Amino acid sequence: GAVVSQHPSWVICKSGTSVKIECRSLDFQATTMFWYRQFPKQSLMLMATSNEGSKATYEQGVEKDKFLINHASLTLSTLTVTSAHPEDSSFYICSARPGLADFFGPGTRLTVL
Amino acid sequence: QKEVEQDPGPLSVPEGAIVSLNCTYSNSAFQYFMWYRQYSRKGPELLMYTYSSGNKEDGRFTAQVDKSSKYISLFIRDSQPSDSATYLCAMTPNTGTASKLTFGTGTRLQVTL
Repeated sequence: GAVVSQHPSWVICKSGTSVKIECRSLDFQATTMFWYRQFPKQSLMLMATSNEGSKATYEQGVEKDKFLINHASLTLSTLTVTSAHPEDSSFYICSARPGLADFFGPGTRLTVL
Repeated sequence: QKEVEQDPGPLSVPEGAIVSLNCTYSNSAFQYFMWYRQYSRKGPELLMYTYSSGNKEDGRFTAQVDKSSKYISLFIRDSQPSDSATYLCAMTPNTGTASKLTFGTGTRLQVTL
C-alpha cells in the first residue's frame, strides 16, 4: 500500500505557542490530503481538506485562522496549530488518496500544557 | 440519526474465533466501502476495500457489502491476539480526490488467549 508519513509523532508545547505538523506522501503524489483529529476512544473527525496550490477547505466549526493548512507541493501538507491551548490537545492524523482508497499517516499526538 | 452506525463494543472473543463486525448506513449514495484497523495511538491501516455489493476475501479477512440492506460486514477468521484493535468502517459516494469519507464510530475488539 501507499505510504504516508507524519512528523513529529508527538509534541509537547506550552500554551500560546504554535506547532507545525507535517504530512508527506512518500511514494505517490497527492493533490489532496485530509486532516483529522481524534479524541480518546472516539472516531476520526475531519477538520479540513488540503488542496495543493490552493486554499484548504475547512469543515464547519473548524477555525481556519487557528488551524493553518499549507499544501505547497504534491507530497507535503502542513497543519499549524496557532496559539495552542490545552483544549487543542489531541491526536492529529492526515490521509491521502493515491487511487481509490485513503491511506493514513501514523498520527501526531499534541499535548498543550 | 448518524449516517453510519457501528456498535462501539468492546467485543471480546477467544483466540481462534470467527469475528463479525458490522456497520449500517442510511445514505444510498455510498458506493465505496472500506475497513480500517487502528491500534492504540496509531493511524488507521487499510484492511479491505470494496466497491458496490458483493464479497471480497483477503487472507483471514472477508468483507461483505449488501447495498439493498445498507449493511456491510467484516469477518475475521482464526482471530489472533494481534487482531486486538479498533475496527473502523468508512464509506464514500465516489473516489474523486475531494470526496470525503464517512466513518463509523469504530468497534473495539479484544482477542483473548
